[in-house]
Amino acid sequence: QSALTQPASVSGSPGQSITISCTGTSSDVGGYNFVSWYQQHPGKAPKLMIYDVSKRPSGVSNRFSGSKSGNTASLTISGLQAEDEADYYCSSYASSSTLGVFGGGTKLTVL
Amino acid sequence: EVLLVESGGGLVQPGRSLRLSCAASGFTFDDYAMHWVRQDPGKGLEWVSGIGGDSGNIGYADSVKGRFTISRDNAKNSLYLQMHSLRAEDTALYYCARAVAGTWIPRAFDIWGQGTTVTVSS
Repeated sequence: QSALTQPASVSGSPGQSITISCTGTSSDVGGYNFVSWYQQHPGKAPKLMIYDVSKRPSGVSNRFSGSKSGNTASLTISGLQAEDEADYYCSSYASSSTLGVFGGGTKLTVL
Repeated sequence: EVLLVESGGGLVQPGRSLRLSCAASGFTFDDYAMHWVRQDPGKGLEWVSGIGGDSGNIGYADSVKGRFTISRDNAKNSLYLQMHSLRAEDTALYYCARAVAGTWIPRAFDIWGQGTTVTVSS
């Protein structure tokens, strides 16, 4: 069982917006602004999409945005495109003895 | 081009050892903390271990603590993971990942290799 909780799947039509949630505790998501989000296409390595809750690395589309409220972080993708179909994982620094935790992943389907 | 290339994976019997390597290029290696992240086949990601740029800070997941050792050789631009007492549950694709600049902790990983597969089975 993953330390952070994500929905197993979400879907949306091209052009729509979707939001993926990531729920942790005050020892990880809620306690630090070190939440990151990764996109993973089948057979490929993960790609960093958001870090420090809401920062976008250079080259990542501004259709991707991140936020946090309490112990829950969120990734929003606006203007859905076919190439956004992938698995998305959240991650956070944690004050437990295991310093890094991931969510179980969310499969995004673009209808 | 910034690149990470893992090697050293393979099929190993339970209880045996294996050493993974990660060759880095295209950036100043000792300026960055480095981490290992693994992924069960068809499943999610799990942070395994991380090391600061000067090897002064090191951390491990509880699941591997006492069995795995992370190290780096900045002169060779290389990261390593020595794995002992391997178990079936260590079977995974092991990624080498660069931490975003600024801290050694697993804050975020901006560059990933393609991974090397470790299979623990008799």
